[in-house]
Amino acid sequence: DGGITQSPKYLFRKEGQNVTLSCEQNLNHDAMYWYRQDPGQGLRLIYYSQIVNDFQKGDIAEGYSVSREKKESFPLTVTSAQKNPTAFYLCASSSTGGRNYGYTFGSGTRLTVV
Amino acid sequence: AQSVTQLDSQVPVFEEAPVELRCNYSSSVSVYLFWYVQYPNQGLQLLLKYLSGSTLVKGINGFEAEFNKSQTSFHLRKPSVHISDTAEYFCAALMDTGRRALTFGSGTRLQVQP
Repeated sequence: DGGITQSPKYLFRKEGQNVTLSCEQNLNHDAMYWYRQDPGQGLRLIYYSQIVNDFQKGDIAEGYSVSREKKESFPLTVTSAQKNPTAFYLCASSSTGGRNYGYTFGSGTRLTVV
Repeated sequence: AQSVTQLDSQVPVFEEAPVELRCNYSSSVSVYLFWYVQYPNQGLQLLLKYLSGSTLVKGINGFEAEFNKSQTSFHLRKPSVHISDTAEYFCAALMDTGRRALTFGSGTRLQVQP
């Protein structure tokens, strides 16, 4: 079955460390996205990518970085510059248009700073 | 800037009662609209979407929504809720502003009581 996989499900980070969250999809979707979810704030866009080797900043990109070297993969690095990284991170993918447009979400990674 | 507003952060309702979850979006020439549901510690699942055509959209689990262009609204309704409908519901929009990524509302927590 096609789907989108995020790993790990839970991640603990020490202050000052960089960590990388994995997102892999086998849906043959061109576009991929990273959102951050905090209680009462909905989902806020961090980065998105419409094609391989290209990506754009979202609303809260500071302190994060991404790469898109393969169509199937869109890893997110939370750097030490991100001052408040504790949150639930969601990855999604989509086709880029047409009647099937819509996101498929992964099950999320919960990051906690210790 | 494009925005999606969910006016109610929480909606308590008794089992078998009808429910409406409200969503308004900032005006745009054309827009795609979505409702997603999220169960605790999981990703988001698509309930329904409006891309074009009939303004009344039917989705999974007995939910439906009506696109109202004049009021820039896309309210979600269900005639009779079940305990299992208890979850967080998110409205999202893709607006023709050049950014090809969904903007989400802050979410509405539906609490179904026996």
